[in-house]
Amino acid sequence: TQLLKQSPQFLSIQEGENLTVYCNSSSVFSSLQWYRQEPGEGPVLLVTVVTGGEVKKLKRLTFQFGDARKDSSLHITAAQPGDTGLYLCAGLIDSSYKLIFGSGTRLLVRP
Amino acid sequence: EAGVAQSPRYKIIEKRQSVAFWCNPISGHATLYWYQQILGQGPKLLIQFQNNGVVDDSQLPKDRFSAERLKGVDSTLKIQPAKLEDSAVYLCASSGRITSYEQYFGPGTRLTVT
Repeated sequence: TQLLKQSPQFLSIQEGENLTVYCNSSSVFSSLQWYRQEPGEGPVLLVTVVTGGEVKKLKRLTFQFGDARKDSSLHITAAQPGDTGLYLCAGLIDSSYKLIFGSGTRLLVRP
Repeated sequence: EAGVAQSPRYKIIEKRQSVAFWCNPISGHATLYWYQQILGQGPKLLIQFQNNGVVDDSQLPKDRFSAERLKGVDSTLKIQPAKLEDSAVYLCASSGRITSYEQYFGPGTRLTVT
């Protein structure tokens, strides 16, 4: 069974602070995606990382795929209240194009 | 471009009753997915369709859950009879190709079983 563990589960920070969310697995994935989900909505794709060691930036968000393609991190610089939401990582299984989702990190950014 | 549509948005039923959810994917998307998201967890794939054929239903509880996509466009997920543990958000997603990395999600249907 391929599992993705995310940490921390919950994070409450003040506006302007930095944070990092982690996504770890014992399995190798062909690619890994990060989604953000707001209450009452479906997840929205933020980024896909494919190559081991790859780093992608999306404004204040920096995503990194581990060299062994088993783990990933999401770093947010100078968090804003609009960043509040549930952050999900998802690993892609190549043979079936099936996504395995982590349990999520719920982020609250206080003004 | 219209997104993935789902209805109803909310449903409350008693245990042992039946319920059906509907999904209309993005126009032209051949692959359709149904996920179950229990509170505090990430989405779990229930079933994946490619056009009107089932690609993966290994995690669908087939004794009570069924899904169809008869014309390869919209899809229906049914639960009969419902159990308390079926309380969850049911998400539908679609992608343009089976090899596509990107899935587009609908807003989900929140089911409460009492």
